[in-house]
Amino acid sequence: AQTVTQSQPEMSVQEAETVTLSCTYDTSENNYYLFWYKQPPSRQMILVIRQEAYKQQNATENRFSVNFQKAAKSFSLKISDSQLGDTAMYFCAHKTSYDKVIFGPGTSLSVIP
Amino acid sequence: DAGVIQSPRHEVTEMGQEVTLRCKPISGHDYLFWYRQTMMRGLELLIYFNNNVPIDDSGMPEDRFSAKMPNASFSTLKIQPSEPRDSAVYFCASSLAGTEYNEQFFGPGTRLTVL
Repeated sequence: AQTVTQSQPEMSVQEAETVTLSCTYDTSENNYYLFWYKQPPSRQMILVIRQEAYKQQNATENRFSVNFQKAAKSFSLKISDSQLGDTAMYFCAHKTSYDKVIFGPGTSLSVIP
Repeated sequence: DAGVIQSPRHEVTEMGQEVTLRCKPISGHDYLFWYRQTMMRGLELLIYFNNNVPIDDSGMPEDRFSAKMPNASFSTLKIQPSEPRDSAVYFCASSLAGTEYNEQFFGPGTRLTVL
């Protein structure tokens, strides 16, 4: 069965610093997709960044980047120059070609001024 | 583009009452998903549709829950009768097959409280 694990329930970071959120997953599929979603206090689920398993290059979206280690089944999110608006729950998610998305339990990130 | 629309945003009801949650997916999207989010269980997939047809309802907790998608622009999730343990945030999401990532776009959620 597919599973997604986020081992850090809570994290904090000083404003302007860098923080890395961990995610590991388990799958028997060879091709799949990985996502990080952000959920601020407004509850809205916002897609932050995405990665296809076949692409070796790590995805980057402005201050957000990932470290994708396929053999280790690891997909960590790095946030650079943290801003107060980055305070949110962050969910790692895994999707195969069958469209079911499995979400991890989430990491609550607090950015401290 | 309006995004995924859900109504109501908040619902408070009493145990035993029927509750209907509504969702309008992004125009043109052919997949629709219903999720439930609680502190204890996180984000759970309840059911999803493709071209208005239910594909996988294995996440639906029990017979009290039902979902329909009568057309491409509307879906409902009904709970009858509701129980306090159904209190949660319910999200609807939609996606479009054939795009590179087929990522899901979420609605704002409905916060349900059953007293």
